[in-house]
Amino acid sequence: AQRVTQPEKLLSVFKGAPVELKCNYSYSGSPELFWYVQYSRQRLQLLLRHISRESIKGFTADLNKGETSFHLKKPFAQEEDSAMYYCALSRDSWGKLQFGAGTQVVVTP
Amino acid sequence: DGGITQSPKYLFRKEGQNVTLSCEQNLNHDAMYWYRQDPGQGLRLIYYSQIVNDFQKGDIAEGYSVSREKKESFPLTVTSAQKNPTAFYLCASSRGQGEAFFGQGTRLTVV
Repeated sequence: AQRVTQPEKLLSVFKGAPVELKCNYSYSGSPELFWYVQYSRQRLQLLLRHISRESIKGFTADLNKGETSFHLKKPFAQEEDSAMYYCALSRDSWGKLQFGAGTQVVVTP
Repeated sequence: DGGITQSPKYLFRKEGQNVTLSCEQNLNHDAMYWYRQDPGQGLRLIYYSQIVNDFQKGDIAEGYSVSREKKESFPLTVTSAQKNPTAFYLCASSRGQGEAFFGQGTRLTVV
């Protein structure tokens, strides 16, 4: 069965410190993974996807098939990074997604 | 303003009532989805539709119903059979490749 696990419910970091959000998945095929972000009072939106291998707002995420992980990283956290982050696995070629439970990130000055 | 519009933003339901949540998109996307968001559980798929006049059950469809009579619209009805309807409901649409565009959500509370 497809599953996405985000072990941390809350991550509190200081401004300028590195931040890493963990995501592990279980999937029998070739996975397509995403990170979605929900800022306060804003709609849930795509942050990045593994196939594009791009850096968005300083965040990167590498798919590690051996460890079945897709951790999100940023070397220097900013206060505007405070948000809820969801790791998601694509269940079809459209937009049906399997979400993790989410990690709330709080960046303090 | 392009995107997905959900209404109302807040909805209160009495016990035994059916309520309908609206979702409209002007992105010309074929696929639309309804998710339920509960604290600590992430988003769970209720129903989805990939084409007009066709829809499929998601993981937690019991107590919910949908229709897809127009490409732009995908309303969700929360029936009295849904035992725990208090939640935040998110509608999304997609043109494919796994990227979903979300509405602002509707918070439903049973009173």
